[in-house]
Amino acid sequence: QKEVEQNSGPLSVPEGAIASLNCTYSDRGSQSFFWYRQYSGKSPELIMSIYSNGDKEDGRFTAQLNKASQYVSLLIRDSQPSDSATYLCAVGGDSGNTPLVFGKGTRLSVIA
Amino acid sequence: DVKVTQSSRYLVKRTGEKVFLECVQDMDHENMFWYRQDPGLGLRLIYFSYDVKMKEKGDIPEGYSVSREKKERFSLILESASTNQTSMYLCASLAGATGELFFGEGSRLTVL
Repeated sequence: QKEVEQNSGPLSVPEGAIASLNCTYSDRGSQSFFWYRQYSGKSPELIMSIYSNGDKEDGRFTAQLNKASQYVSLLIRDSQPSDSATYLCAVGGDSGNTPLVFGKGTRLSVIA
Repeated sequence: DVKVTQSSRYLVKRTGEKVFLECVQDMDHENMFWYRQDPGLGLRLIYFSYDVKMKEKGDIPEGYSVSREKKERFSLILESASTNQTSMYLCASLAGATGELFFGEGSRLTVL
């Protein structure tokens, strides 16, 4: 059974701080990694994807991947109250026919 | 932009009723998915389809069936709704090149 683990939170950070969200996965053959943001009552929306080891930056968001440690993280710099949401980590295999495996999500609360 | 449209945002049904949830995507994606999401349980995969008339069971298929008669449309069917099927249902389609999953707005079903 492929698993993706996240701390459920809530993770509380002050406005302007860096929020660090972490995710570990069990399938060493995983090839694609995604972070989705989900506001309460809404559907998940993709915010970052990463496919190779290292860092990938997009605006205030940085995704980090370490395949050897089976670990992926999301950093949110200059956190804003509008970043308050649940963040879902999703991991994909090497085939488009293999469904993504989702973690249960980490709830982030940015305090103004 | 990819658009995944779910036919109903909110539904209220009686126990024993047959329920149809429809999903349409406009990006010619081959793979489509149905999830349900419940507090504390995360996203759980019900069924997915990687081609017209093809279907695969996900993690929790019991009590559900699906139909994929056309590439753009993937329907979830509850043959006889029960109260434990009260949930948020999310449809998604997969961009094969990147592995990114695009979600519809969700259908919140209440079974009384």
